Amino acid sequence: AAGVIQSPRHLIKEKRETATLKCYPIPRHDTVYWYQQGPGQDPQFLISFYEKMQSDKGSIPDRFSAQQFSDYHSELNMSSLELGDSALYFCASSLGSSAGELFFGEGSRLTVL
Amino acid sequence: GDSVTQMEGPVTLSEEAFLTINCTYTATGYPSLFWYVQYPGEGLQLLLKATKADDKGSNKGFEATYRKETTSFHLEKGSVQVSDSAVYFCALSLQRRDDKIIFGKGTRLHILP
Repeated sequence: AAGVIQSPRHLIKEKRETATLKCYPIPRHDTVYWYQQGPGQDPQFLISFYEKMQSDKGSIPDRFSAQQFSDYHSELNMSSLELGDSALYFCASSLGSSAGELFFGEGSRLTVL
Repeated sequence: GDSVTQMEGPVTLSEEAFLTINCTYTATGYPSLFWYVQYPGEGLQLLLKATKADDKGSNKGFEATYRKETTSFHLEKGSVQVSDSAVYFCALSLQRRDDKIIFGKGTRLHILP
């Protein structure tokens, strides 16, 4: 079965650079979520989109932005990168009727040097 | 606010031992409850879930029962294997359309051969 696809899987950037992560949800899923997981930490909710509109916002820095496109894929844009942005970024998707079950991608590991 | 509290790790057990990882929750509504597992270097996988009181989720020998009276969802396995070594996250979602999942801090499990 198709799963959530994230790219790139690994990304290395310098401080103050910009990074873009992409997420392709499971076909027909209408909601996309972004999470950030620091080393040894639990995943922290950043932002979500339902039917291409932002539906909820968590602890996402102002330097980050995201959107969901007409084909339901989503991109997380991160600017002015800081060392503390080094983390595993997960995308998840769900279908509104799934009783809250989210399906996670493998994650994109961002390293800021 | 809505939150999940789970026992701190790491938990170290010998192979074939009995496992319990405690999890309690606080929620304003009527949540769905989940256990996710994260193997080393991998993403988050749904292990099991329960959507209403007294439901028992089970998968791969793991079980957890939704206890509304004690607001708990403890994870158990009768005989653990080395391959069960991972980080286990208890989580909840409020069963609203596009609602995010809130994770506990995670419990790292080490199984010794």
